[in-house]
Parts: sequence; C-alpha cells; structure tokens
Amino acid sequence: EVQLVESGGGLIQPGGSLRLSCAASGFTVSSNYMSWVRQAPGKGLEWVSVIYSGGSTYYADSVKGRFTISRDNSKNTLYLQMNSLRAEDTAVYYCAREKVVPAARGGWYFDLWGRGTLVTVSS
Amino acid sequence: SYELTQPPSVSVSPGQTARITCSGDALPKKYAYWYQQKSGQAPVLVIYEDSKRPSGIPERFSGSSSGTMATLTISGAQVEDEADYYCYSTDSSGKRVFGGGTKLTVL
Repeated sequence: EVQLVESGGGLIQPGGSLRLSCAASGFTVSSNYMSWVRQAPGKGLEWVSVIYSGGSTYYADSVKGRFTISRDNSKNTLYLQMNSLRAEDTAVYYCAREKVVPAARGGWYFDLWGRGTLVTVSS
Repeated sequence: SYELTQPPSVSVSPGQTARITCSGDALPKKYAYWYQQKSGQAPVLVIYEDSKRPSGIPERFSGSSSGTMATLTISGAQVEDEADYYCYSTDSSGKRVFGGGTKLTVL
C-alpha cells in the first residue's frame, strides 16, 4: 500500500529541538520530490520545506536557518530537523509526496499526504 | 510575497451549487489545484491542473480557471461535502503557495 506515516511530534519547550520522521511505503522517497506542510491550530496550510530527488533543498522564509529537511534512502524515510523552536511553530506537520507537472503551466503539487504529527511548542 | 485569495466561507443548502473562488496573479501562467480537508483529517486532492478530477472524486466536483481566478464548483452539494477547501499553486519562481482556505457549510 502506498502511504506516508509521520512520527516524532510532541510537546517541546521554546528554543528546543525536535526531529520528525516520515516513513514511506509503496514507493521510493529518493525518486520523488518530498515536502513538509504544516497547519497551526485553526489555521490554514503552510508549505515548510522540500527536498528534490536530486537532493536540493528549499525552505519557507519562516523556518529558513532553523529547520533542515533530509532523507535516509536505506530506510525510505524523510526527516525534518527542527531547531530553535518557537510558539508559532506549533502545528500539525504533514509530509507529502509531490508530483511534477512538466507542462508550460506546470509546476508541482502534493498527490499523497500522511496523517500528520502534532508539534506543540510551549513552556 | 505571492498570495492566493479565497473567501473565508461559503454556505449553500443541500442540492445547491457551491462555488469557491481563488485569485492570484500567477494563475494565468500556473495551474490551480484544490484540496478538501475535513475536520481532523489530512487534505485530499479533489481537482488538479485547473479542471481534472482524480479517480474516486465524485463528478459533482469540477474546476475551471480564467485569467487570475480559479473556481471550484460543487454541483448539487451534499452534506458530506462540508469541509475546508484550499486552493494551491506556485508562483513564477516555483514557490509553493496555499490559499487561506474556505469553509464550506452545507445545511
């Protein structure tokens, strides 16, 4: 079955660090663009970071310099290392697979989502 | 920074047509996508590349795009369609952007 399963969320104090994991099955993480998307309580969706199949990484301005996306090909798992956490990082974090659209108006979109893991940053 | 603008809420009676709009300056050059999110669940893709419907999505869901506006239409909305809907696209630099979301109420 093709699926994504996130783990690693929890309660963490401001300034702390946390690493989220996203285990994939039914497809190969390293052959795809993979992203993290978050959703603060009662708020909308916010893209956080992406790692391309070639290894390039990109981040939203809100997390740049604090978060690091990576993957372990042997474990077929995506990670998000989150440092210097702030209260505003409190959210459900989803990992998502991206589909690339090779057309004039193309780009990429999220075609598979995990169920998410909750990160709460509070003292 | 690039923004996609949606109305915060739309309300219809069962069986009526619901239309949710999404405006963005880059939409003439980039496809729009629509995600449905029910309470406590992960988002589900209901429309891709402006107007295509993934397998398993009911035919009552349709999409269109013209100029700087994309529209999600639910023809004959059902109570089970009550959810938050998010448009999504990319800007000219490839930045990934979601609209603010629209809460659809069917009652």
